[in-house]
Amino acid sequence: KAGVTQTPRYLIKTRGQQVTLSCSPISGHRSVSWYQQTPGQGLQFLFEYFSETQRNKGNFPGRFSGRQFSNSRSEMNVSTLELGDSALYLCASSFDSLGLFFGEGSRLTVL
Amino acid sequence: GENVEQHPSTLSVQEGDSAVIKCTYSDSASNYFPWYKQELGKGPQLIIDIRSNVGEKKDQRIAVTLNKTAKHFSLHITETQPEDSAVYFCAASIIYGQNFVFGPGTRLSVLP
Repeated sequence: KAGVTQTPRYLIKTRGQQVTLSCSPISGHRSVSWYQQTPGQGLQFLFEYFSETQRNKGNFPGRFSGRQFSNSRSEMNVSTLELGDSALYLCASSFDSLGLFFGEGSRLTVL
Repeated sequence: GENVEQHPSTLSVQEGDSAVIKCTYSDSASNYFPWYKQELGKGPQLIIDIRSNVGEKKDQRIAVTLNKTAKHFSLHITETQPEDSAVYFCAASIIYGQNFVFGPGTRLSVLP
C-alpha cells in the first residue's frame, strides 16, 4: 500500500508570493491533516479535512488555507508569504481518526 | 487549550540500555496519546499509542504507560539499538483522534 505522498518535496519562494502544496493520502483514508514543523515551534496543527469538509482548524492566520477533493487528495495554500513561513509542511492521513500516517513533507524556504 | 510538555529534550544512552521519555498534558479531557519517531529527512512515524482507558501498552521493545491522575505518560524503550536514534514526539488528542497537540520532541542518541 502506498504511503502518504506530498509534492513538491522542496521549494523556494520569495516574500509576498503564494504557494500550493499537495498531498495524496493512503488509499481509503478520508481524513487529511496538515502540520507545520519548525525548529522553534515544533509540530503545529494547521487544519484537518474529512470528506471534503474542514473539520478542525488550528491557530494560524487566514493566509493559510486548504481544501480536500472528492478523492481525498488535499491541497494547502499559503498566500502573501512571509519569512517566518519557512518550514517543513507535513500532511498526515488517517482512516479512523486515530493514528496519523505522515508523508515526508514539503520543505518551504521563503527568501 | 491543551499543552504538552516533554522531557528530556535530548537523551544519550549506551546501546543495550533503556531509554525513558516523559510527557505531561494539561487538559484532563485528552483521551488518546500516540508516540511518533522522526528520522532525519522523514516524516514522523507512529510507533505506539495508548487510549485513556488503558494504563499500559507494550509492543516488543517499546512500551507506553499512562497516569491519568497525574496527567502524564511515558515512552519506554528497552535494549536500545543504534537505529533507535531519532527524534521522538508525544502527542495528546482532546477530540478523540483529532486536533493533536505535540510535545516539543526528544532527540535520542544511542551510542554504540
